[in-house]
Parts: sequence; structure tokens; C-alpha cells
Amino acid sequence: AQSVTQLGSHVSVSEGALVLLRCNYSSSVPPYLFWYVQYPNQGLQLLLKYTSAATLVKGINGFEAEFKKSETSFHLTKPSAHMSDAAEYFCAVSERRALTFGSGTRLQVQP
Amino acid sequence: DAGVIQSPRHEVTEMGQEVTLRCKPISGHNSLFWYRQTMMRGLELLIYFNNNVPIDDSGMPEDRFSAKMPNASFSTLKIQPSEPRDSAVYFCASNPGQGVEQYFGPGTRLTVT
Repeated sequence: AQSVTQLGSHVSVSEGALVLLRCNYSSSVPPYLFWYVQYPNQGLQLLLKYTSAATLVKGINGFEAEFKKSETSFHLTKPSAHMSDAAEYFCAVSERRALTFGSGTRLQVQP
Repeated sequence: DAGVIQSPRHEVTEMGQEVTLRCKPISGHNSLFWYRQTMMRGLELLIYFNNNVPIDDSGMPEDRFSAKMPNASFSTLKIQPSEPRDSAVYFCASNPGQGVEQYFGPGTRLTVT
């Protein structure tokens, strides 16, 4: 069975600082991995996805994530946080069709 | 493309009433998913359809919940009778195939008083 663990339900960074959101997964087969972002009162928007091509995946808004099979991790990073990055971020894994989501990490960006 | 369309966006109802949530997936997508989001339980998959056929409904909380997909462009999630603990945001998502990202609708915020 697949599962996702997001370490840290809340992360606070200063504007311009590095953003690091952690995600570890469990999957019985090579997984598809995703990061989604949710702004207040909105649906989920795809940031990036890993589908067994390059292990370093670039997404929208300057975000990227690195797939590390040995660590079963798929951490999300952004070199310099912007105020507009404040939102909730979800890591998700898919073995077949349905997604299993992590519990989410709320990112706060301080001016 | 209009994206995934959900209606209504907000629904307030009294305990015991029937509630019907509606979803129109993106044209050409053959998989449709219903999720529920709450503070306590996060995002939970309720049910998903492939080519209009329910594949996995193990996430449906109880018999009060039912979902249908009569054709490729429409799905409903019904709660009868509704209870206050059903209050949540319900999302519909669709995708065109395995391993491909899902596209989410804006959600329906349900409040049961």
C-alpha cells in the first residue's frame, strides 16, 4: 500500500529565504509523485510531478523537487521565498490511478 | 478548456436533508475522483471512476453516501440523510490516464447544521 508522510505541518520562513518542505513516501512499486499547492478557499493546483524520468523535477513558480529512491523522499524546495508562496502544500503518491495525499504543510512567509 | 466544474460552490443545509454535489470533468478525461477535505482528516479519497465505472469506493464513509457517473461528462455525490459531521469541502478531480496528474475543481463547501 502507498502512503505519504509530510514532516512539519507548519513551516515559517522569511521572504527571500530557502523553502524546504519534506515528503517521504512508501510504495510497493515505482511511484508517480506529485506536489500540489492549495491557496485559501481554492482547489489544488499541480506544482510538479515525477514520473520516472529525471530525478530533479522543475515545476511552476520556481519550485523544484528531487526524487531520491534510497531515501524514499521527494522534498520540495525553492531558493528564495516570496510572499505569494504562502499556502498549503501537499505531497501525493500514485501507484495506479488514485492519489494518496500527505497531511499537508502550511507555509508561512514572513516579511 | 474550462477545467473541472463543480456545483454548487457552497451548500448550507439542515441535518437530515439530502445533499447532491455535482461535477463535470474535463472533456476527454476518463477517470474521475471524489475527495473530501477536513481539518481533522485532511484529504481523503472517497471514490473514483474509470470510464464511468466505479473502481474503488472503499473511502465512502457509510451507506448515507452514494456516487454515480451516468455518462463521461457528469458525476454526482449524494448524501442522504446529511449529518453535521459531513461538513467539509468536497473536491472532484479528473485525469486522462494512469500516472498522470489529476486536475481539481474548485470544491464545494458543505455545511450541515
